[in-house]
Amino acid sequence: AQKVTQAQTEISVVEKEDVTLDCVYETRDTTYYLFWYKQPPSGELVFLIRRNSFDEQNEISGRYSWNFQKSTSSFNFTITASQVVDSAVYFCALSERKATDSWGKFQFGAGTQVVVTP
Amino acid sequence: DAGVIQSPRHEVTEMGQEVTLRCKPISGHNSLFWYRQTMMRGLELLIYFNNNVPIDDSGMPEDRFSAKMPNASFSTLKIQPSEPRDSAVYFCASSFTLWGGPADTQYFGPGTRLTVL
Repeated sequence: AQKVTQAQTEISVVEKEDVTLDCVYETRDTTYYLFWYKQPPSGELVFLIRRNSFDEQNEISGRYSWNFQKSTSSFNFTITASQVVDSAVYFCALSERKATDSWGKFQFGAGTQVVVTP
Repeated sequence: DAGVIQSPRHEVTEMGQEVTLRCKPISGHNSLFWYRQTMMRGLELLIYFNNNVPIDDSGMPEDRFSAKMPNASFSTLKIQPSEPRDSAVYFCASSFTLWGGPADTQYFGPGTRLTVL
């Protein structure tokens, strides 16, 4: 079963528009981490943010903001006033703590391609 | 501080040849992960190590793939013999994870783009 769902395959926007990327996760653990990574056309995977399951505070970093809601198992990501440099694939990931596997690993979503045109 | 280092960055080889990909994790990290990324299958976890010990290799596609981590600062992923369907970008990532905890932030290397002709 898919643990992390990014239902949007591709989002196209014009520069300066806002864009919100959805991420829905599934877990029975009470302790887990959620992440967002960016993969620009150059190919590297860049860490953007980590969220602890006990911290539901939203976060803003420049033009980026994240909305974590445990009630809906969602961790959405918004880019405000998008720029061409924001064009990339964005991945959401979940890391759980499992009793039978004491070393956790990531579950990545399929990614959302964001295309920002001038 | 240096990030995760991978070599080579690009590898072109012929079917049947042995390919060895190398990774140097971030100093102080105790977990190392090998991923493969293709258009068809996305990002797949192949194997991961904790404290140099392989923990889960269920993602390794078949016996042609093997991975080792002889010490805390070096890991290899070997494909022997290589096949065209192995063409992909292979990423190495490292993190510091506490026993019993969720895997913490993974930092990725630049990847090795492998082409098998």
